[in-house]
Amino acid sequence: GAVVSQHPSWVICKSGTSVKIECRSLDFQATTMFWYRQFPKQSLMLMATSNEGSKATYEQGVEKDKFLINHASLTLSTLTVTSAHPEDSSFYICSASSQESSYEQYFGPGTRLTVT
Amino acid sequence: GENVEQHPSTLSVQEGDSAVIKCTYSDSASNYFPWYKQELGKRPQLIIDIRSNVGEKKDQRIAVTLNKTAKHFSLHITETQPEDSAVYFCAATERGGYQKVTFGTGTKLQVIP
Repeated sequence: GAVVSQHPSWVICKSGTSVKIECRSLDFQATTMFWYRQFPKQSLMLMATSNEGSKATYEQGVEKDKFLINHASLTLSTLTVTSAHPEDSSFYICSASSQESSYEQYFGPGTRLTVT
Repeated sequence: GENVEQHPSTLSVQEGDSAVIKCTYSDSASNYFPWYKQELGKRPQLIIDIRSNVGEKKDQRIAVTLNKTAKHFSLHITETQPEDSAVYFCAATERGGYQKVTFGTGTKLQVIP
């Protein structure tokens, strides 16, 4: 089956710094990747949809200047949390999709971000 | 946009009993309804899905039903086991392109041995 990886699996950073999270599709070309945020005991909330080679589409209420998304290749998308604050602490999950996978979304293992 | 409601938020059942989780959706364009199981700190795992041209689908102890007219769909787990304990999410999307998936609020299922 399709495999999606994320790196790092967890990260602790200080308030005001930036953190980059990578999402990779390991065995298929992901034309589209999705970034979700999940707070404890809550559902997955879509942050943005990322298409290879074009600008990401952000959901309402998500600051595009704070959460920078780059989908530079068909196997890699990155999410950079800029000037992180404690309220950005969350579980960030990406998913990847492609026409060859019948548009099914394959989820990465997630990244636990803690901002101190 | 799509709105998916899910009930109950928590569910406790005795081992061997059945568990039912219900969801409703709002967008009649949605035509694909996956169900995910998520264990603490891990990624959601697709456990079963159903398309709008099908009313029911079964896979061993898991079944999903869909009432397209009422915009309701449900997950049924029979003969529950302790390893079924997890958070379950329903979701809805319009399949056929790179459409975003809208998740329900989740149901924490606890199977008591």
